[in-house]
Amino acid sequence: DAGITQSPRYKITETGRQVTLMCHQTWSHSYMFWYRQDLGHGLRLIYYSAAADITDKGEVPDGYVVSRSKTENFPLTLESATRSQTSVYFCASSASPGQGYEQYFGPGTRLTVT
Amino acid sequence: AQSVTQLGSHVSVSEGALVLLRCNYSSSVPPYLFWYVQYPNQGLQLLLKYTTGATLVKGINGFEAEFKKSETSFHLTKPSAHMSDAAEYFCAVSDPRSSGYALNFGKGTSLLVTP
Repeated sequence: DAGITQSPRYKITETGRQVTLMCHQTWSHSYMFWYRQDLGHGLRLIYYSAAADITDKGEVPDGYVVSRSKTENFPLTLESATRSQTSVYFCASSASPGQGYEQYFGPGTRLTVT
Repeated sequence: AQSVTQLGSHVSVSEGALVLLRCNYSSSVPPYLFWYVQYPNQGLQLLLKYTTGATLVKGINGFEAEFKKSETSFHLTKPSAHMSDAAEYFCAVSDPRSSGYALNFGKGTSLLVTP
């Protein structure tokens, strides 16, 4: 199916464990983004990627790692999960945000760190 | 950096009444402006956007918004609320100078529609 998908949709993990959240889009959009959504904070940018092998930090990058070896995939890894990383994570993609193209969002991954 | 303020974290309207959700932004350059809607346990869906041109923008589901540069506002309206409009609404701005044109979101407004 065309679109943007995230997996898993729900994840419970323990403090200190490594967790990888997957994001896949079928439009060949150049730009991809990771946001986290927390009550009272709205959505905040973690990392973004302008193209394969090009990534950069957003507002809240600490404790996260990203990679983008293929245009369609943009995994987000929590190297050593902490309780403060309990959140809902959204992946998004855009063809050309610099020209006003909108971002398309995935369904989200709800992560709980115990 | 850009910032977005949504006035009112919760707004309640009666079915059939006017919906008005307020959004103000700070910017020293013309921004791109967006409204997204989020239904429970779902991702964000674009309602409408302003990039250039006509300042009154029409979106999906009967919503529209007007870009007012002098007031740095982009308020969302709908003439007649439906029960199905109950959701979380986010105003966002894309700053050409920011990280990959990433969106800077307001904290959201939860719209409740009562019968």
